[in-house]
Amino acid sequence: DIVMTQTPLSSPVTLGQPASISCRSSQSLVHSDGNTYLSWLQQRPGQPPRLLIYKISNRFSGVPDRFSGSGAGTDFTLKISRVEAEDVGVYYCMQATQSGYTFGQGTKLEIK
Amino acid sequence: EVQLVESGEGLVQPGGSLRLSCAASGFSFSTYAMHWVRQAPGKGLEYVSAISSNGDSTYYADSVKGRFTISRDNSKNTLYLQMGSLRAEDMAVYYCARGYSGSYYTDPLFHWGKGTTVTVSS
Repeated sequence: DIVMTQTPLSSPVTLGQPASISCRSSQSLVHSDGNTYLSWLQQRPGQPPRLLIYKISNRFSGVPDRFSGSGAGTDFTLKISRVEAEDVGVYYCMQATQSGYTFGQGTKLEIK
Repeated sequence: EVQLVESGEGLVQPGGSLRLSCAASGFSFSTYAMHWVRQAPGKGLEYVSAISSNGDSTYYADSVKGRFTISRDNSKNTLYLQMGSLRAEDMAVYYCARGYSGSYYTDPLFHWGKGTTVTVSS
């Protein structure tokens, strides 16, 4: 199985300031079709997960443009340009390149 | 609007069985692969099982292989997860999810249900 490792596990951020979460995979996520199936999900307190970003950098429908994804191969980053109160929650990276999708441990974003 | 509504929540003794359902609406259910993901209390997300759009192909995590069975009824727009030989470590919120493909390979999980809770305890 591909192991997904996120850093940091907790991120206190000031409202209006940027935030960044890293995700590293134990092997390359480049699929034989040339795509990289790395997604980012947000889980607000008491809510189900919600897709933010798929295939590294594609924002899902309705996701604010302050969220952006980047990276390649085994190293990926989720950035929030200006954190808002509604962004509090846990963020997960997820790989869908290899069957038996796997998730990072989660990064808890909280307001300072 | 895509809607996924899980049901079947329950308290089961270790070794018992339970069937979860996921009712889908707002899209052509028979076109898409479907997935189950679970989350133990206070823990992260774990991918459990998946089924192709026509039901011919299935996937199971090692942790549930031989105990859980995924199936679907495209005439009823419903996904199922039959769980047997339940263990304490199966206790979790179970989410159904849909991607953008008829195959469960390389299928980012676009839409999620709100989840249904399985409690395993004597």
